[in-house]
Amino acid sequence: GESVGLHLPTLSVQEGDNSIINCAYSNSASDYFIWYKQESGKGPQFIIDIRSNMDKRQGQRVTVLLNKTVKHLSLQIAATQPGDSAVYFCAEKLKTSYDKVIFGPGTSLSVIP
Amino acid sequence: SQTIHQWPATLVQPVGSPLSLECTVEGTSNPNLYWYRQAAGRGLQLLFYSVGIGQISSEVPQNLSASRPQDRQFILSSKKLLLSDSGFYLCAWRGLAVRGGELFFGEGSRLTVL
Repeated sequence: GESVGLHLPTLSVQEGDNSIINCAYSNSASDYFIWYKQESGKGPQFIIDIRSNMDKRQGQRVTVLLNKTVKHLSLQIAATQPGDSAVYFCAEKLKTSYDKVIFGPGTSLSVIP
Repeated sequence: SQTIHQWPATLVQPVGSPLSLECTVEGTSNPNLYWYRQAAGRGLQLLFYSVGIGQISSEVPQNLSASRPQDRQFILSSKKLLLSDSGFYLCAWRGLAVRGGELFFGEGSRLTVL
């Protein structure tokens, strides 16, 4: 079933350092894995996605890694900035005709200036 | 360009009162539409999704219902609110021709049931 989530884990990172946010997924019937960023009081914003037949994809300052063997997804943010402080959610798009997108529990990233 | 609007942004309702949250998408046709709920400090729970007018799929048994009277309009309703219905409700859309995982979210409606 869908993840309702526990209270959010928190990651604190010094400004300028790299951040790594991890996510474990359970559904093998997904064709895309996605990362979203949610700032306080706002709707989530798409960051990057990766197709299930890939293991790495790079964007601007972000890299997503997919390890299907252990069902693990990670988001790496290079040179973390104060504006990166937010809650980050991993999500998966199921291979159904209805394009269901299921979210993971989220991680709160706090950047220390 | 495409935009998504949700209203109201904030509302406080007594237990037992009705609810209607509206979501409208502009600049696209025949989108997939979604309603999610987010409890304070928690993740997003998928409530409903729709692939076309009048077509609604419910993900969890609950006190809420959804309707899609027009192609780009998605409504979340309740006849009698419960305390547990409090939360941040998010509407999202996705283009049919898009292969990737991107959803476009509205700004959300924060509901407090007292």
